[in-house]
Amino acid sequence: SALTQPPSASGSPGQSVTISCTGTSSDVGMYNYVSWYQHHPGKAPKLLIFEVSGRPSGVPDRFSGSKSGNTASLTVSDLQAEDEADYYCSSYAGNNPVVFGGGTRLTV
Amino acid sequence: DVQLVESGGGLVQPGGSLRLSCSASGYRFGGYAMNWVRQAPGRGPEWLSYISTGSLNIHYADSVKGRFTIFRDDARDSLYLQMNSLRDEDTATYYCARGPDYRLDVWGQGTTVTVSS
Repeated sequence: SALTQPPSASGSPGQSVTISCTGTSSDVGMYNYVSWYQHHPGKAPKLLIFEVSGRPSGVPDRFSGSKSGNTASLTVSDLQAEDEADYYCSSYAGNNPVVFGGGTRLTV
Repeated sequence: DVQLVESGGGLVQPGGSLRLSCSASGYRFGGYAMNWVRQAPGRGPEWLSYISTGSLNIHYADSVKGRFTIFRDDARDSLYLQMNSLRDEDTATYYCARGPDYRLDVWGQGTTVTVSS
């Protein structure tokens, strides 16, 4: 995948976990159009974060996004059992198609 | 509720064709751009194609350019993906998703395409 994510992350209920998403100066580093998606297998993926740190209505504020240089991060605070899912980042890449990460499986 | 439902997936031989459909409900379909995204087993999502409102702008990933065609029928609240010359590497779950490609705010549950002899 064009963006690099750790394959797995874990935490206990109530804890916080941060998932990284590393791109390049041509995508994550250049544009503030990083999105994060949550995917429970068999269900429709869900937009969690847009434009680095924006949250669509209905997404709990336990989910937050940030970016530094070529790396974006998703932090899930106060972990709950239902947060166990796959998480994917994506980034706008200018004249190239949007790029996705390989995904991180979060275990709670 | 805003919802997208894909259909049309299945088993097809290499070189074959398949047409996927995506039915939208709960919002004004014609007012939004749409995309197709796929995910092969064990891999991250791959954006495939984008169609703007009014079908004015259409884009494809290099991996499917010349083989896949995206189109929409706003009167039927539906999006389509015509897939020709299918290859083994096209095996994946295919999703339709609403919005600009960098902000896909509604996704369907996907339809599975298996290309195998």
